[in-house]
Amino acid sequence: GAGVSQSPSNKVTEKGKDVELRCDPISGHTALYWYRQSLGQGLEFLIYFQGNSAPDKSGLPSDRFSAERTGGSVSTLTIQRTQQEDSAVYLCASSPESNGFPNRGETQYFGPGTRLLVL
Amino acid sequence: GESVGLHLPTLSVQEGDNSIINCAYSNSASDYFIWYKQESGKGPQFIIDIRSNMDKRQGQRVTVLLNKTVKHLSLQIAATQPGDSAVYFCAERGGLDMRFGAGTRLTVKP
Repeated sequence: GAGVSQSPSNKVTEKGKDVELRCDPISGHTALYWYRQSLGQGLEFLIYFQGNSAPDKSGLPSDRFSAERTGGSVSTLTIQRTQQEDSAVYLCASSPESNGFPNRGETQYFGPGTRLLVL
Repeated sequence: GESVGLHLPTLSVQEGDNSIINCAYSNSASDYFIWYKQESGKGPQFIIDIRSNMDKRQGQRVTVLLNKTVKHLSLQIAATQPGDSAVYFCAERGGLDMRFGAGTRLTVKP
């Protein structure tokens, strides 16, 4: 039973470059979430997927951030023209569907995160 | 409670002692709460949850207490071990939104 996996585990990039972060959720989990965690801060919600659609994009900090999910499984978070303030740990989580409704707010299983450093 | 800024609240305990980590929440409509443990360099790990129709729930060496009157949640760890050293944070669900606290850093001294 594999858990949520993310890649790369670490990414160092130069300001202005684009980066792509990948998340593989637990097999069968319908809901997928992206969060950002800055040093010493709580989790900052970015975006939520139900299947392949994203009903809630309210947390994306700017139009440089985008995410997609294909096949109801793998998701990628893309940050264009990275800035130094984008440096953080980007966490992905998934949760199962229950009673035919996305189990949003129920137990979310987190991946190990991608540590992004923008120089 | 939640912390703002770069410095997490810290709790230092002796190995074998009991630990109590506290969390204050703001939404009186929150109906579901989770405690997570996050070790250095790893993603958050689910520890225990509790629904608002309960005031206490026990797991293995952990107990969560919920006081809805004062909107307070606590995590008790019995016989704290070095492997318990981590950041612990609470999460609350109000409606469809889940909010996470910044966490408390627990350090266990041998």
